[in-house]
Amino acid sequence: DIVMTQSPDSLAVSLGERATINCKSSQSVLYSSNNKNFLAWYQQKPGQPPKLLIYWASSRESGVPDRFSGSGSGTDFTLTISSLQAEDVAVYSCQQYYSAPVTFGQGTKLEI
Amino acid sequence: QVQFVQSGAEVKKPGASVKVSCKASGYTLSSYAMHWVRQAPGQRLEWMGWINAGDGNTKYSQKFQGRVTITRDTSANTGYMELSSLRSEDTAVYYCARGGVTQAFDYWGQGTLVTVSS
Repeated sequence: DIVMTQSPDSLAVSLGERATINCKSSQSVLYSSNNKNFLAWYQQKPGQPPKLLIYWASSRESGVPDRFSGSGSGTDFTLTISSLQAEDVAVYSCQQYYSAPVTFGQGTKLEI
Repeated sequence: QVQFVQSGAEVKKPGASVKVSCKASGYTLSSYAMHWVRQAPGQRLEWMGWINAGDGNTKYSQKFQGRVTITRDTSANTGYMELSSLRSEDTAVYYCARGGVTQAFDYWGQGTLVTVSS
């Protein structure tokens, strides 16, 4: 199984500042035939299901504000929130869907 | 708009089974994959398996193999997840999620809390 490890476990950032969350996979999730990383980021607020933010490591889901961006390739990935808003307080999780079983990171709790 | 409505919370005794439903609207169930993911209190999201809602083929996580069954009823546009031989560690919120064209999970149900307690 591919193990997903996020850092840090929790993060406090001031409003308007940048937040950066890292995710490392135990093996590459880059699919060579189409050069896409099968890596997604989700946002989860208390009592709600996860919400897809980023797919293929760097493609923003429709409707997601452009302050959210994803980067990285192979085994190392980053989610960046360029200017933190109050509504961004949540737990953020990375996910690999390169191979079964699909696996998730342990989550990073983002606070103001 | 795409939406899922899952069945209500359940309380089960150890050794029992539970079946959670997930009714889709806003799209045709058979056109996409449906995944099932659970989240125990304070734990990370855990993938249980998925079904190709078109042909009914399934793939399960090895962790749940033999205990989980994922099915669908295309006429009802509904997916189902049944978990048997329940134990206290199965207490969790269970989610259905659609595998989108990018294969990421683009829409999620609201979650169903299953509590296993004697």
